[in-house]
Amino acid sequence: DAGVIQSPRHEVTEMGQEVTLRCKPISGHNSLFWYRQTMMRGLELLIYFNNNVPIDDSGMPEDRFSAKMPNASFSTLKIQPSEPRDSAVYFCASSLQGELGYGYTFGSGTRLTVV
Amino acid sequence: QQQVKQSPQSLIVQKGGISIINCAYENTAFDYFPWYQQFPGKGPALLIAIRPDVSEKKEGRFTISFNKSAKQFSLHIMDSQPGDSATYFCAASKRTYKYIFGTGTRLKVLA
Repeated sequence: DAGVIQSPRHEVTEMGQEVTLRCKPISGHNSLFWYRQTMMRGLELLIYFNNNVPIDDSGMPEDRFSAKMPNASFSTLKIQPSEPRDSAVYFCASSLQGELGYGYTFGSGTRLTVV
Repeated sequence: QQQVKQSPQSLIVQKGGISIINCAYENTAFDYFPWYQQFPGKGPALLIAIRPDVSEKKEGRFTISFNKSAKQFSLHIMDSQPGDSATYFCAASKRTYKYIFGTGTRLKVLA
């Protein structure tokens, strides 16, 4: 299994531009999570999907952020318009709900820089 | 009540020594406590996890000690090696799969 695949690995964009981050979870996993990691705030959960349905989006910072999961093998996190304070590493993780012992599997992340 | 407090923020240990990282939580509804290891440029990876019905779990050189009454749990790395140098995160969750992560401990093991 290739694990959780995220793209792009690095993204540099100008303030005001739209940014789309992509994630392919592990096949067979039914839960998907988007996290943001910064030095100041650590790992923050942005949104959680179960069986492609958003369950908890309380961590989404504001309306500029949106996430979709159109099918079990693909999710996107979109920021529009982007701002410098959105600069962070964004991680996608997946898990098999009902199998707590396996925990989350994280992707390698997308490092976003907004200038 | 949702916080998980982790300490120390950074730790330097000699090769062969014991590394100890501590976490404390408030919410007694938490029922799963994993530890994650993160190397630079990589995502966190599950290292070891424990449920509150046991007080200790060991996997190789890594041990979790769990104190339910004190609402604390800790990671012990025995015979620490330079390859263990990484950032370690504790976490806690209820059966909602929404993990609350600690703030991380940057471990450096000196050769």
